[in-house]
Amino acid sequence: GESVGLHLPTLSVQEGDNSIINCAYSNSASDYFIWYKQESGKGPQFIIDIRSNMDKRQGQRVTVLLNKTVKHLSLQIAATQPGDSAVYFCAENIDAGNMLTFGGGTRLMVKP
Amino acid sequence: DADVTQTPRNRITKTGKRIMLECSQTKGHDRMYWYRQDPGLGLRLIYYSFDVKDINKGEISDGYSVSRQAQAKFSLSLESAIPNQTALYFCATSAHIDTQYFGPGTRLTVL
Repeated sequence: GESVGLHLPTLSVQEGDNSIINCAYSNSASDYFIWYKQESGKGPQFIIDIRSNMDKRQGQRVTVLLNKTVKHLSLQIAATQPGDSAVYFCAENIDAGNMLTFGGGTRLMVKP
Repeated sequence: DADVTQTPRNRITKTGKRIMLECSQTKGHDRMYWYRQDPGLGLRLIYYSFDVKDINKGEISDGYSVSRQAQAKFSLSLESAIPNQTALYFCATSAHIDTQYFGPGTRLTVL
C-alpha cells in the first residue's frame, strides 16, 4: 500500500475501545470542518463534518466535537474496529470559496 | 469513490518529461481540485476550478498547469517534471461549499 505519512503521529488502541483523534486549527474565521479517513492506497474518504454554529455532531459510531474557544476539533470513534485503521485528516474551510486546508493527519492503529 | 476516477494510477517518468494526469467525475459537480500529498505533509492544493474555463492557483502551483475543458474533466500537467514532484496526486470534486470527494490517486515517480 501507499505510505501517506511516514512521520505522522500515531494512536494505537485496542479493538473495542473508543478512539479520540485531535486536531488544532489556526484560523478563527474557519466556519466548516471535515474529518477524512484515508486507507492505504486510497483517496481520502469523507467521515463527518460540522459547521461553526454547532459544537457537536454525531454519525454512525463517530462524533465530532468543536471547541471554537481554543480552536480544537476532535473525532471520537466508538468501539474501534480493525477496519478503522487508517490515517485521519481534519480539514477546515477558510473563506466562502470552499478552500479546504488540511491538517497533517494522525495514524490510527487498532490492535486485535 | 468510483464517481471520481484518475488516470494513470501509477506513472514513472524521467526528469524533463511532460506528464499529464487526468481526472473525470460523474457526480455533476462544478468544482474540481488537484492536490499533492507528500509523507508527513498532508494534502496541499495545487490548482482548483469552480467552472469550465475557470482556473485558480492553489498553494503550490509552480511547475504545474491545468485544463478544465468540460465540467466532468480536469487535467493536471507537469510541463517539465523534476524529482521533487514525486508524490501522490489526488483529484477532488465538490458542489459549491460542500464536502470534497476524492479520487483514488495517482502515484507519480520522477527519476
